[in-house]
Amino acid sequence: QQQVKQSPQSLIVQKGGISIINCAYENTAFDYFPWYQQFPGKGPALLIAIRPDVSEKKEGRFTISFNKSAKQFSLHIMDSQPGDSATYFCAASRGRNSGYSTLTFGKGTMLLVSP
Amino acid sequence: GEEVAQTPKHLVRGEGQKAKLYCAPIKGHSYVFWYQQVLKNEFKFLISFQNENVFDETGMPKERFSAKCLPNSPCSLEIQATKLEDSAVYFCASSQGEDPGELFFGEGSRLTVL
Repeated sequence: QQQVKQSPQSLIVQKGGISIINCAYENTAFDYFPWYQQFPGKGPALLIAIRPDVSEKKEGRFTISFNKSAKQFSLHIMDSQPGDSATYFCAASRGRNSGYSTLTFGKGTMLLVSP
Repeated sequence: GEEVAQTPKHLVRGEGQKAKLYCAPIKGHSYVFWYQQVLKNEFKFLISFQNENVFDETGMPKERFSAKCLPNSPCSLEIQATKLEDSAVYFCASSQGEDPGELFFGEGSRLTVL
């Protein structure tokens, strides 16, 4: 019930291309879906997040698409740059009104953007 | 401070020894979270605090792990009698509230158990 499944494990994209990372969840009570970016030797940092009342959220080159009926959400990185090379984690949690749960992370996707 | 400060950055312990890690949350943040990241990147939630009170300890292996957040002191995570499988990076994060929101992570403490 708490699991978040992330794919692919790794991804190589050419500079300027689109990177797509997918996540699926099981618990329909989840109501917060963030993506975190982690560089080697650093802690993860929040990139973008979405709540289930919208189907898409865009911030700069980063877009979350959310499909509530399929229980899936994805991260799209447009015009991928070498500086985007990092590990990306999707996550999900429930707020207090939904029966609180701490953030549960997917297993991560290592993205390499080739120059 | 403006960032989550974790110490030490690296810690090496022999199997069976004690390990203690520290975390200073961002000033004004009342929630502290501990996560364990093992070699394959997977994050495992351990415990969270609301100020000095345990908020959620569902992930905590209680036999050897303990944690505290005391007033005017860094939070701590202690592992008694470390085992090889405790080797991991331990991340502390803080947030302003417990409801889903941005977690601010420290840079982690790498524990190596030999």
